Amino acid sequence: NAGVTQTPKFRVLKTGQSMTLLCAQDMNHEYMYWYRQDPGMGLRLIHYSVGEGTTAKGEVPDGYNVSRLKKQNFLLGLESAAPSQTSVYFCASSRQTGTNTEAFFGQGTRLTVV
Amino acid sequence: AQKVTQAQTEISVVEKEDVTLDCVYETRDTTYYLFWYKQPPSGELVFLIRRNSFDEQNEISGRYSWNFQKSTSSFNFTITASQVVDSAVYFCALSEMGTNAGKSTFGDGTTLTVKP
Repeated sequence: NAGVTQTPKFRVLKTGQSMTLLCAQDMNHEYMYWYRQDPGMGLRLIHYSVGEGTTAKGEVPDGYNVSRLKKQNFLLGLESAAPSQTSVYFCASSRQTGTNTEAFFGQGTRLTVV
Repeated sequence: AQKVTQAQTEISVVEKEDVTLDCVYETRDTTYYLFWYKQPPSGELVFLIRRNSFDEQNEISGRYSWNFQKSTSSFNFTITASQVVDSAVYFCALSEMGTNAGKSTFGDGTTLTVKP
């Protein structure tokens, strides 16, 4: 019963490097999300997906790209990392139903860009 | 635009004290959902409660209770007889009805420290 799994858990990047964060969920959820959490702040939505093959921009999408090639996976890419992208990244998933449900979150990925 | 305000940045109490965490929200929608999440020192986010905007009944779950008042746009969270394990950051969140739970607007969180 893994739930939502994020890979990796920690990463240090140099400015300008690229990387991909992987989110995998085993709950057959339609919706998936990427958030970032900065110190002293709540979560801010980067991108989200309402189904396989679909993605949409959230509140803070600049500098990130996403892909949802498989229903269970949602990838977050940084093409050219910047120090401003130092943050903790959370992936979440939720069901698509007629009524709203809670989101299930991964453990987070702590990214430092130097 | 939606907004969630948690005015209390940090709260410190002694074990067994009661503590209330405030949450005030703004939305143009007449129907919406409100959530509370807990983030312990280990970092994961734990769902605590969801409340529909058309259901203003207060809810109690063990030592936790929630007071939803639509007239004042508030959704406050009370922990009775606090314990050290309650130490965490607590987030209030708001989402529109019809969109899914994860696409929420979060407050900046309240850090609760419960001292033995």
